[in-house]
Amino acid sequence: AQKITQTQPGMFVQEKEAVTLDCTYDTSDQSYGLFWYKQPSSGEMIFLIYQGSYDEQNATEGRYSLNFQKARKSANLVISASQLGDSAMYFCAISRRNLIFGKGTKLSVKP
Amino acid sequence: DAGVIQSPRHEVTEMGQEVTLRCKPISGHDYLFWYRQTMMRGLELLIYFNNNVPIDDSGMPEDRFSAKMPNASFSTLKIQPSEPRDSAVYFCASSSTGGGLLYNSPLHFGNGTRLTVT
Repeated sequence: AQKITQTQPGMFVQEKEAVTLDCTYDTSDQSYGLFWYKQPSSGEMIFLIYQGSYDEQNATEGRYSLNFQKARKSANLVISASQLGDSAMYFCAISRRNLIFGKGTKLSVKP
Repeated sequence: DAGVIQSPRHEVTEMGQEVTLRCKPISGHDYLFWYRQTMMRGLELLIYFNNNVPIDDSGMPEDRFSAKMPNASFSTLKIQPSEPRDSAVYFCASSSTGGGLLYNSPLHFGNGTRLTVT
């Protein structure tokens, strides 16, 4: 069975600073995908970034990067230069035959 | 691209009533997922379809829940009879593998249906 753990229920970051959101996972599969989604207060789920288990380089998408450490089974999201609009819930998810989500981390960006 | 379209956005009903949630996936997507989100349990996968065929419904809570996908552009999630504990936000999502692997294809979510059962 697959499992995702996000240990930080809530985090604060100062505007313009970088922040790391933690995600660890457990799977017996060799091939899988790791995703991060953002859910603002309006409720929609927004896809941010993807990392494949066989990708050797860490994924990056604009201000988002994924710090993938396969041996440690971690896939932390790094947001650089935080903006007020980054305040939201962030979900890590693992995919093999379906997509299983963690409980999420609520990020609050302070001006 | 219109994105995944869910209706209604909000549904308030009384316990015991039948509720039907609707979803139109993105055209050309071959996978469709139904999720339920609550504060207590987070995002739970209820069921998913591949090319209109249900693949895994192990997340469906009980027989009161049923889902159908009669064609590639429409799916329903039905609750009959509804109970207060069914109150949640229900998301539909679709994905396109292009014939490839599901696990490297991001899901595109609808805006959700907020269901309140009184």
